Amino acid sequence: DTEVTQTPKHLVMGMTNKKSLKCEQHMGHRAMYWYKQKAKKPPELMFVYSYEKLSINESVPSRFSPECPNSSLLNLHLHALQPEDSALYLCASSQSGGDEQFFGPGTRLTVL
Amino acid sequence: GQSLEQPSEVTAVEGAIVQINCTYQTSGFYGLSWYQQHDGGAPTFLSYNALDGLEETGRFSSFLSRSDSYGYLLLQELQMKDSASYFCAFRGPGGYQKVTFGTGTKLQVIP
Repeated sequence: DTEVTQTPKHLVMGMTNKKSLKCEQHMGHRAMYWYKQKAKKPPELMFVYSYEKLSINESVPSRFSPECPNSSLLNLHLHALQPEDSALYLCASSQSGGDEQFFGPGTRLTVL
Repeated sequence: GQSLEQPSEVTAVEGAIVQINCTYQTSGFYGLSWYQQHDGGAPTFLSYNALDGLEETGRFSSFLSRSDSYGYLLLQELQMKDSASYFCAFRGPGGYQKVTFGTGTKLQVIP
């Protein structure tokens, strides 16, 4: 299984809502990533989990809260988002190094 | 700082060869990766160069010159389905899993 899955595919939420994005991989990868991508821009790294521990937080606002319940799952909890947070949120996984990453299809988030 | 610069757009004819360049600046470097992303889709890994030289994977090849802080992706026998955005990327500094993507090149293949 060489697939990374993400749910939901689309999400519309208000600024007072709480929602979660989910990501799953069964490739035995020990690194998992969250990226944010705006239209016509490259993916921007948000968080990296390595061996289920948060290893990189790219100064992301606290309204984004990552969680890694086990080696296959990665969540991104969202609370009190702003309209400028509307974007495609991509999850990826890799062997520990990160030179070859496998991306999920993404969640397209709209904040009203 | 660290950065990867790419041309914003490239247009090429079906069946031709196209080269997408990437110049980078970084204080720590492991190697250069390349990804393809179709509109509305997710990035897909294409190639990785850890050492100088050319890596070939089917119609796609990637080249790296560490001394010039430069790499390129070469696409041969272009097909319409190759129309997509292409990103170079590297790891570090700031953590060996800290991946930074280049500015991206939108390739349009025309008949």
